[in-house]
Amino acid sequence: GENVEQHPSTLSVQEGDSAVIKCTYSDSASNYFPWYKQELGKRPQLIIDIRSNVGEKKDQRIAVTLNKTAKHFSLHITETQPEDSAVYFCAASKGQAGTALIFGKGTTLSVSS
Amino acid sequence: IAGITQAPTSQILAAGRRMTLRCTQDMRHNAMYWYRQDLGLGLRLIHYSNTAGTTGKGEVPDGYSVSRANTDDFPLTLASAVPSQTSVYFCASSDQGAHRETQYFGPGTRLLVL
Repeated sequence: GENVEQHPSTLSVQEGDSAVIKCTYSDSASNYFPWYKQELGKRPQLIIDIRSNVGEKKDQRIAVTLNKTAKHFSLHITETQPEDSAVYFCAASKGQAGTALIFGKGTTLSVSS
Repeated sequence: IAGITQAPTSQILAAGRRMTLRCTQDMRHNAMYWYRQDLGLGLRLIHYSNTAGTTGKGEVPDGYSVSRANTDDFPLTLASAVPSQTSVYFCASSDQGAHRETQYFGPGTRLLVL
């Protein structure tokens, strides 16, 4: 089955710096890659996703890149702000309703001002 | 519109007791899921349902059962709780439309089994 590895497990940056979180997946049939942000005590919230027919997607300060050949995808946050502090999860699936999202173990991002 | 709701918010349960976690969505999504979240392990799928009347096993189904009598509700039952089932449980749902892969999560239920 699918296996998703996420690195780093913790990341500390200064406000205004960029943050990059990387994930690799094992199943070449996976074609949907969402990123979730989870604040303490809250539910995971989708922040951006990418499908395998696209190499990069951007939404304001966040962007995701996908390398299907290498089976890895990354989250990039620019101009980080203290409110970006949270746990970020990557996931992969085969892109059909009823198909499980396989999650990475998460990255705790801390942005200090 | 409430989206996805879960009940209870939190619960302390004695080992061996039976417990049902409730999940309701008002978005008319066909697919629903139950995940458990444990520190350092991320979110893992317990059971899922593609549509009313059907269910399937996820990555960690042992000790749990589900039913899907209608589109809106997807209860998760622990028949005889054990301490290893202490976790935060999230219900999620997804549509059948163009963005059918996108899953939306409920607020979660914190369960402590003693």
